[in-house]
Amino acid sequence: GAGVSQSPSNKVTEKGKDVELRCDPISGHTALYWYRQSLGQGLEFLIYFQGNSAPDKSGLPSDRFSAERTGGSVSTLTIQRTQQEDSAVYLCASSLAFGGGTDTQYFGPGTRLTVL
Amino acid sequence: AQSVAQPEDQVNVAEGNPLTVKCTYSVSGNPYLFWYVQYPNRGLQFLLKYITGDNLVKGSYGFEAEFNKSQTSFHLKKPSALVSDSALYFCAVRDFVAAGNKLTFGGGTRVLVKP
Repeated sequence: GAGVSQSPSNKVTEKGKDVELRCDPISGHTALYWYRQSLGQGLEFLIYFQGNSAPDKSGLPSDRFSAERTGGSVSTLTIQRTQQEDSAVYLCASSLAFGGGTDTQYFGPGTRLTVL
Repeated sequence: AQSVAQPEDQVNVAEGNPLTVKCTYSVSGNPYLFWYVQYPNRGLQFLLKYITGDNLVKGSYGFEAEFNKSQTSFHLKKPSALVSDSALYFCAVRDFVAAGNKLTFGGGTRVLVKP
């Protein structure tokens, strides 16, 4: 079946602009995750959604970052007033989180964000 | 806090030779361990995971990994490497009780398999 999809694949923006990144998880997956991959910081967790529970936002680096998941499916990661240090590949993953932490996360191809 | 270390930035191996990518972890509880591979301009692709049971885990594309609790290691292995195995490999850990569902990744190891 279809995997995790993300759009756009590439985004170039100017410093100070807002950007929205979209993630479409695997159908039926209840959990959705956002990670950031950058040269300096490696792969780092940003935020996690599980069903109707409050999201785990513990990885968001600043209040300029926010995310929502509508209808338990599609998610949007929004970065306000982008800075050059926000340049990175933003990866989305989804899983069948049936509890206990044993689920496998499946990743999308990522969105490469470049802030000029 | 959970953490993962991949001590080698790059591993070079000749095609047909055994491949090992090292990973050590630190958690306060029981670890759930994962290996992912990333090809250029692609997302992470799941290879295998250890949850419980047999310490030797077999995964996709002929890869396997051995969980060693005393050495807190989870090294990835392949008996005979292929040129197409050249990629970036990430080890990840989840300590569900302490940190929930998030994965913590190592810094990655670039594997170069030469013909």
